[in-house]
Amino acid sequence: QVQLVQSGAEVKKPGASVKVSCKASGYTFTGYYMHWVRQVPGQGLEWMGWINPNSGGTDYAQKFQGRIAMTRDTSISTAYMELSSLRSDDTAVYYCLGGPNIGRGYFDYWGQGTLVTVSS
Amino acid sequence: EIVLTQSPGTLSLSPGERATLSCRASQSVSSSSLAWYQQKPGQAPRLLIYGASSRATGIPDRFSGSGSGTDFTLTISGLEPEDFAVYYCQQYGTSPRTFGQGTKVEIK
Repeated sequence: QVQLVQSGAEVKKPGASVKVSCKASGYTFTGYYMHWVRQVPGQGLEWMGWINPNSGGTDYAQKFQGRIAMTRDTSISTAYMELSSLRSDDTAVYYCLGGPNIGRGYFDYWGQGTLVTVSS
Repeated sequence: EIVLTQSPGTLSLSPGERATLSCRASQSVSSSSLAWYQQKPGQAPRLLIYGASSRATGIPDRFSGSGSGTDFTLTISGLEPEDFAVYYCQQYGTSPRTFGQGTKVEIK
């Protein structure tokens, strides 16, 4: 069965960077894009971008351009999302989304979420 | 980008009642590329509906989706206790993919 397991919660200071990992299993990791979405506590969902695990190609939401990087390690079926120059309003739960239906556009497999807290 | 506006913000209903949730897009959503998700506190969202009207695997038939173009609806025919949650619509026909702000269905 498809599983996406994310790394644990992080606490960072303003201006720092955070790198969240997402380990995929149950499907061919390199066959399907991986997306990232975040959710500020008590608020809605925000799409951040995707990575093609096969080629490493990426597409980021304009809002995050310049301070986001999505990478992958195909040897361990793991994708990473790194966000830099963190601000207090980056405090959110970050989700990875994947699975064999991802190409159809909707998100049927979600990681469990990683809470990133940005606080001085 | 396509802005999705959900209404109402909060819906207060009793178990057994019918819930009707609206999602309106700022421009036409291509190929009915609209999905609905349910989210409970402390959990990741769960896919309910894709393609505007197709139920995802394992979703009870009391959940139904309809609509096209700019107006979409999620209907829950008879609310069960486990259905009280927040619901989001999402369009995936045009990049960037966008979500509505959510409708909370709460117990009256």
